[in-house]
Amino acid sequence: KQEVTQIPAALSVPEGENLVLNCSFTDSAIYNLQWFRQDPGKGLTSLLLIQSSQREQTSGRLNASLDKSSGRSTLYIAASQPGDSATYLCAVLYSGGGADGLTFGKGTHLIIQP
Amino acid sequence: DAGVIQSPRHEVTEMGQEVTLRCKPISGHNSLFWYRQTMMRGLELLIYFNNNVPIDDSGMPEDRFSAKMPNASFSTLKIQPSEPRDSAVYFCASSLVRQTGPKFGPGTRLTVT
Repeated sequence: KQEVTQIPAALSVPEGENLVLNCSFTDSAIYNLQWFRQDPGKGLTSLLLIQSSQREQTSGRLNASLDKSSGRSTLYIAASQPGDSATYLCAVLYSGGGADGLTFGKGTHLIIQP
Repeated sequence: DAGVIQSPRHEVTEMGQEVTLRCKPISGHNSLFWYRQTMMRGLELLIYFNNNVPIDDSGMPEDRFSAKMPNASFSTLKIQPSEPRDSAVYFCASSLVRQTGPKFGPGTRLTVT
């Protein structure tokens, strides 16, 4: 059974700090990996998508890396702001034929203290 | 682009009642997914369709759950009869190609009492 694990489950840091969220997956045969943000009571917003052939993607203060061989991805948030407070979800799309559904981690609940 | 549209946004029902959740995917997208989110299990794929055809329903928890996609612009997820353990947020998502990833709707929060 393919599994995606996110560490830590929760994180609280003061505003302005740089931080790293971790994601690991058990099967390296992935098609792509995606990071989502979910605000309380809301849907999922895609932040970054990394194809299996890529090593990283950047968008503004966010940088996501992918190491397929070790089954790991990290989401780096620079100069954190209170508005970054949310749950961050990692999701993997595996390469198996016809397997088009995402496998999600349980998320990291992030609080940025003003 | 109105995004993925789900209705209702909130549903409260009594155990044993039939519940129907609805989804309108983004126009032009050919894959549609139903996910369920709970505190205990996180987000889980229930079923997905490609070109209106169910491809993988291995995530559907029981025979009480059924999903249909009669055309490219509409899908339903039905629970009959509903049970308290079905309480969760149900998300619909759609995509055009694997490379770009799915877009998610706002979800339907279901409470079964």
